Amino acid sequence: AQSVTQLGSHVSVSEGALVLLRCNYSSSVPPYLFWYVQYPNQGLQLLLKYTSAATLVKGINGFEAEFKKSETSFHLTKPSAHMSDAAEYFCAVSDPYGNKLVFGAGTILRVKS
Amino acid sequence: DVKVTQSSRYLVKRTGEKVFLECVQDMDHENMFWYRQDPGLGLRLIYFSYDVKMKEKGDIPEGYSVSREKKERFSLILESASTNQTSMYLCATPGPAGGASGANVLTFGAGSRLTVL
Repeated sequence: AQSVTQLGSHVSVSEGALVLLRCNYSSSVPPYLFWYVQYPNQGLQLLLKYTSAATLVKGINGFEAEFKKSETSFHLTKPSAHMSDAAEYFCAVSDPYGNKLVFGAGTILRVKS
Repeated sequence: DVKVTQSSRYLVKRTGEKVFLECVQDMDHENMFWYRQDPGLGLRLIYFSYDVKMKEKGDIPEGYSVSREKKERFSLILESASTNQTSMYLCATPGPAGGASGANVLTFGAGSRLTVL
């Protein structure tokens, strides 16, 4: 079975500071990993995905994530937070045959001015 | 781009009522999914369908059923709504990079927020 743990249900950073959202996964097969973002009153949209190619994945809006198999992690980072980054972020895992995604509990990012 | 349309954005129902949540996708995809989203629990899979009249239980199917009579439409049914089914319900289907590529990128609808009184 696959599972995802997101460390920290709420993260608060100052505008311009580094954003780090943590995600650890469990999977018995090589995983595909995803980060989705949900802005207030909107649906989910894909930020980035890892599908066994490059371990450092770049996504939209300046976000990136690094797949570390030894640590079973897929943390999301952004060098400099912007007010518009305030949202809820979800990490998700699927197997390579990928019919179902398993989501983490989500992390709400707050950006302070 | 794939478009996923959920017909009702907000619903208020009473305990015991039968509730239908409708989802339509415009890309002729085989796979469609229903998730529910709750604070602190993330998204949990209720049911999914991989073709017309084909369905499979997800992680939390109790109290729900589904219908897939046409490829583009996937309905979630609450036979007798209860207050613990108050939630946000999200429908999804693989987007352009999903399906055969194995990179199962889901496109989500805007959600249906259900309140059961």
